[in-house]
Amino acid sequence: AQSVTQLGSHVSVSEGALVLLRCNYSSSVPPYLFWYVQYPNQGLQLLLKYTSAATLVKGINGFEAEFKKSETSFHLTKPSAHMRDAAEYFCAVSGNTPLVFGKGTRLSVIA
Amino acid sequence: NAGVMQNPRHLVRRRGQEARLRCSPMKGHSHVYWYRQLPEEGLKFMVYLQKENIIDESGMPKERFSAEFPKEGPSILRIQQVVRGDSAAYFCASSPGGLAGVYEQYFGPGTRLTVT
Repeated sequence: AQSVTQLGSHVSVSEGALVLLRCNYSSSVPPYLFWYVQYPNQGLQLLLKYTSAATLVKGINGFEAEFKKSETSFHLTKPSAHMRDAAEYFCAVSGNTPLVFGKGTRLSVIA
Repeated sequence: NAGVMQNPRHLVRRRGQEARLRCSPMKGHSHVYWYRQLPEEGLKFMVYLQKENIIDESGMPKERFSAEFPKEGPSILRIQQVVRGDSAAYFCASSPGGLAGVYEQYFGPGTRLTVT
């Protein structure tokens, strides 16, 4: 079985500051891990995914995430926040089963 | 290549009525997933279908909910005798293959169901 915990339902950063969204997972098999972004009233868009290749995964819009097996973590980072990054972010895990999502973290970016 | 299409985008039903949500997958995709998103919650898997087959319905409530993906036409999520607790956003995703870790799922914009 798989599960995901996203620490912090709401994160607020200043424009230009580092973005760090935390995700811890639990999986009984080697996991596939994903980060999705959801803008208001829209569907989810894939930011990046980990599929057992490189542990540091680069995604779209300048985001990246690092898979740390020892910490069962897959935190999402971006060096410099932009106003357009304000959205809801979801971490998800799969072991070739249906995706299991975390509850999401709402990112606010302050000018 | 058009993305995943869902209609209607907003649906209002009175308690006891039926709700039908439609999903047209991306061209060339034969795998469809339905998810439900309650306020302040992440997406919860409901059902996974291929053309004319239900592959995994482990997330579907046992009563009042059904799904189909016919040979021709969109996938349909049907909710009979809706109750207030069914109010949520329902998202459809499609993919070209069935391994969730291998094949990216592309999401539609969702249908927001409100039960009054």
